[in-house]
Amino acid sequence: DGGITQSPKYLFRKEGQNVTLSCEQNLNHDAMYWYRQDPGQGLRLIYYSQIVNDFQKGDIAEGYSVSREKKESFPLTVTSAQKNPTAFYLCASSTGGDGNTIYFGEGSWLTVV
Amino acid sequence: AQSVSQHNHHVILSEAASLELGCNYSYGGTVNLFWYVQYPGQHLQLLLKYFSGDPLVKGIKGFEAEFIKSKFSFNLRKPSVQWSDTAEYFCAVNAITGANNLFFGTGTRLTVIP
Repeated sequence: DGGITQSPKYLFRKEGQNVTLSCEQNLNHDAMYWYRQDPGQGLRLIYYSQIVNDFQKGDIAEGYSVSREKKESFPLTVTSAQKNPTAFYLCASSTGGDGNTIYFGEGSWLTVV
Repeated sequence: AQSVSQHNHHVILSEAASLELGCNYSYGGTVNLFWYVQYPGQHLQLLLKYFSGDPLVKGIKGFEAEFIKSKFSFNLRKPSVQWSDTAEYFCAVNAITGANNLFFGTGTRLTVIP
């Protein structure tokens, strides 16, 4: 089946550790995105990539890093510099360009203790 | 900068009641507009979208939304809600500027009481 796969679904980490969230899509979409969802704040864009080997900061990129070495993969690293990393993280993809619909993965819950 | 406002944070309705969720955006140019729904424990799904043409768009599960350009609004409606409509609803806007980035509202939680 085509879709966007995020792993792991639930992740616990100790404070000060970096953690990488995986996102893979087999939709042949050019563009991929990472959003963070917090209660009462909607979705906020962390990073996006319109094409392989290129990515741009979103609204809340501090404390995060990404890579886009392959079209189908867009992993997100939550670094120890992220002050409030506990959140629900959503990966998404689209065909790129204006107006194309963005499709979401099922999300990853990260809890930092 | 673009922004999206959803003024209703939590709406509680009885089954068969009519629903209208407000969405306003701030951007003076051409926009694409979306409503996404997130059912409990599930991922975000596209409910409906407006790109051009008829400002009244129909989506899945009996939902519709009307784009009123003069009011910068894209309100979501359903004439008769069901218990299964209990979910969180997000309005999103994409300005036609060359970057396909959606700006989301803070969401409206809908609870439908049987």
